[in-house]
Amino acid sequence: GNSVTQMEGPVTLSEEAFLTINCTYTATGYPSLFWYVQYPGEGLQLLLKATKADDKGSNKGFEATYRKETTSFHLEKGSVQVSDSAVYFCALMSGGSEKLVFGKGMKLTVNP
Amino acid sequence: EAGVAQSPRYKIIEKRQSVAFWCNPISGHATLYWYQQILGQGPKLLIQFQNNGVVDDSQLPKDRFSAERLKGVDSTLKIQPAKLEDSAVYLCASSFQFSRTDTQYFGPGTRLTVL
Repeated sequence: GNSVTQMEGPVTLSEEAFLTINCTYTATGYPSLFWYVQYPGEGLQLLLKATKADDKGSNKGFEATYRKETTSFHLEKGSVQVSDSAVYFCALMSGGSEKLVFGKGMKLTVNP
Repeated sequence: EAGVAQSPRYKIIEKRQSVAFWCNPISGHATLYWYQQILGQGPKLLIQFQNNGVVDDSQLPKDRFSAERLKGVDSTLKIQPAKLEDSAVYLCASSFQFSRTDTQYFGPGTRLTVL
């Protein structure tokens, strides 16, 4: 079945550090891939998405590239801020089911 | 544009009691989803509606959970009777159409504690 594996946290970084959150997936067909973020006390929000191989999603300084050959969608940011402290979820949606399958999430804390 | 609304935000009940959650999706969104998010895990889809018809309820524990979406707008999710393992955040989401490229917008969730 479809599944998402993402690196587990929690992770603590200093402001301006480089961030990578690994995400790999298993899916039938050609899924769409998503990163969702959950800020403290708030609901899940879409951060970025990619719908086909080699697409790059980007938003708020975050980027992720859909790599079909490695079945990966790693999230990166060059310089994190305190306001990026949140839980990050990688997810996929596979054609035919149209339902999101989430990873377990990774909690990021950024210290000043 | 108003987001997905959910109520209540918090609920505490005893096991074997009943509970209901309400969701009002974004106006014009045809597809509505209910997810269960257990602490430390990602959300898991319980049921998906397209207008007022059920598209996928394969992971809904039908012996105790039920959901409806009358008139294709707002929706209720009910648990009867509740078990300790039902303690979780219940998330409602909606999307404009039934498509793997469409964005799902999430409500703030209802945090259920079963004692």
